Amino acid sequence: DTGVSQNPRHKITKRGQNVTFRCDPISEHNRLYWYRQTLGQGPEFLTYFQNEAQLEKSRLLSDRFSAERPKGSFSTLEIQRTEQGDSAMYLCASSRSSGGSNTGELFFGEGSRLTVL
Amino acid sequence: KNQVEQSPQSLIILEGKNCTLQCNYTVSPFSNLRWYKQDTGRGPVSLTIMTFSENTKSNGRYTATLDADTKQSSLHITASQLSDSASYICVVSAYSGYSTLTFGKGTMLLVSP
Repeated sequence: DTGVSQNPRHKITKRGQNVTFRCDPISEHNRLYWYRQTLGQGPEFLTYFQNEAQLEKSRLLSDRFSAERPKGSFSTLEIQRTEQGDSAMYLCASSRSSGGSNTGELFFGEGSRLTVL
Repeated sequence: KNQVEQSPQSLIILEGKNCTLQCNYTVSPFSNLRWYKQDTGRGPVSLTIMTFSENTKSNGRYTATLDADTKQSSLHITASQLSDSASYICVVSAYSGYSTLTFGKGTMLLVSP
């Protein structure tokens, strides 16, 4: 396994369109995270899955955003009716449980860069 | 509110020189502190993870220190190389039943030839 894979790497869309990003985590990792990162800022947490269960969602995840991890493996992040403010890098990360609910080492994908015109 | 502050915001050094990046945090209850390197347009890559009981950890030319009493960490880069040019992000994990991560904004390092 070569790591966390995200696609597409780049997406340009017009305002109002829907976009979907896919993340394939490291195969033995049961935890999957989505983050959003804008220029000059650190990643901001969006949502977190343990296996197929979505355990936490940030306030940043408005009702236009939805994430799924249907079989506890890959995940999708969909943004409906995109706005220019959605332009950002969307990062996926995965980790393996390290005892209790603590977060083990995070492995990030290369990100999906969204540009909304 | 959990916060992670990094300084400086950006830094330019000459190739071969050493540098130290700072991270101050107000995260409770503290679980661990991580440093990540993020090349432009790429995802972050882990450099070190330190728990409460560890006060120094090295990864090649990178050495991280942690003072849990003053809630400060530093990342020291020795004999910098052009490939060290990147953003360095400090991330602090809190744990109270479940884990939350608080990210700093990063320090942008440029190593100049």
